[in-house]
Amino acid sequence: EVQLVESGGGLVQPGRSLRLSCVGSGFTFDDYAMHWVRQAPGKGLEWVSSISWSSGSLGYADSVKGRFTISRDNAKNSLYLQMNSLRSEDMALYYCAKGYGSGIYFGIDVWGQGTTVTVSS
Amino acid sequence: QSVLTQPPSVSGAPGQRVTISCTGSSSNIGAGYDVHWYQQLPGTAPKLLIYANNNRPSGVPDRFSGSRSDTSASLAITGLQAEDEADYYCQSYDNSLSGCVFGGGTKLTVL
Repeated sequence: EVQLVESGGGLVQPGRSLRLSCVGSGFTFDDYAMHWVRQAPGKGLEWVSSISWSSGSLGYADSVKGRFTISRDNAKNSLYLQMNSLRSEDMALYYCAKGYGSGIYFGIDVWGQGTTVTVSS
Repeated sequence: QSVLTQPPSVSGAPGQRVTISCTGSSSNIGAGYDVHWYQQLPGTAPKLLIYANNNRPSGVPDRFSGSRSDTSASLAITGLQAEDEADYYCQSYDNSLSGCVFGGGTKLTVL
């Protein structure tokens, strides 16, 4: 069974940092692009960042560019999101998601259950 | 303001057919990038419903179908059932943003 398990969410003060992790299983991790998508309470889905299978192509939403960094460790079947200078508007449920192809332009076929990030003083 | 535009809500009675539109531009759908649709039931993670415009993953009923034309796409649901009540999102890739784009989501109510 294909599975994605996120971790690392929690309560953090504005301006501080947090690192999200996602471990994939049940598929050949390094064959596929990976994504982070977030959803604020009561709101729609918002794409955050994407990384191709080889880390050769990266993409960031304008709202997080310069503050967030996506990375992956294919040897560990893991995806990461380093979030710096967190703001109240970053507060959301963060989903790790698997693309159905190697490039970041492919759609998403598997979603994790999400990890919650709360930004508050 | 989402890059892809969807109606906020649609509704239909059991057994009826409903469609959800997704309007983009020349830098995403109009540039030839595929459109994908996701269903999000209350309190759950999104689930892939249609990929690459009109393809259904294994396990998705054939009551769900997708289409794409020019700068827009549509999701059609026939034989509406109570269990179809959910939020639906379209998604594509945008070459001017160099990233994925989502529609704002459409809440389907089964009357």
